[in-house]
Amino acid sequence: GAVVSQHPSWVICKSGTSVKIECRSLDFQATTMFWYRQFPKQSLMLMATSNEGSKATYEQGVEKDKFLINHASLTLSTLTVTSAHPEDSSFYICSAHDSSYEQYFGPGTRLTVT
Amino acid sequence: GNSVTQMEGPVTLSEEAFLTINCTYTATGYPSLFWYVQYPGEGLQLLLKATKADDKGSNKGFEATYRKETTSFHLEKGSVQVSDSAVYFCALQMDSSYKLIFGSGTRLLVRP
Repeated sequence: GAVVSQHPSWVICKSGTSVKIECRSLDFQATTMFWYRQFPKQSLMLMATSNEGSKATYEQGVEKDKFLINHASLTLSTLTVTSAHPEDSSFYICSAHDSSYEQYFGPGTRLTVT
Repeated sequence: GNSVTQMEGPVTLSEEAFLTINCTYTATGYPSLFWYVQYPGEGLQLLLKATKADDKGSNKGFEATYRKETTSFHLEKGSVQVSDSAVYFCALQMDSSYKLIFGSGTRLLVRP
């Protein structure tokens, strides 16, 4: 099946710094990618929909200036957490859908802000 | 709005026991329904899906039937294995947006 990768798999950063997470579709082109946040023992919360070549669409309550999303190509979307704080610590997951609109999920990135 | 409700876990079973994880949904329209599984340390994987009422999705011994009259999509397996230990997520998708809306997840622990 289709493969989606994320990099890094885990990252620790200091409060106030920014961190970038990459999401790649390895063997298919993804015009749309999704970014989710998962809290411990909780469900996935959709943060934003990322469309190649256009601005991302953010869900209600998600700060677009804090969570910058760029979808520069059909195989790469990036999420940058700007001026990170401890409350941003979480598990971030991306997904991408292929031409059949089935979604494939990345393995996730664990962010810890100290 | 659209939402998914799952039974709370964890669910602890002995190997070869029968499994049911309840899932109900609320939707304006006719969604597609999914079960995803997340094994420890891995990303979500699609387990099965159903796109219209009375459809039955099945995979790896798991089954779920799209019940419009009860707005449910319960996951069942006749005989669980230790390797089935994971977190299971029920989700719905409205065609117009392709966004997935997830339930809270149910952790399953199968003991030998």
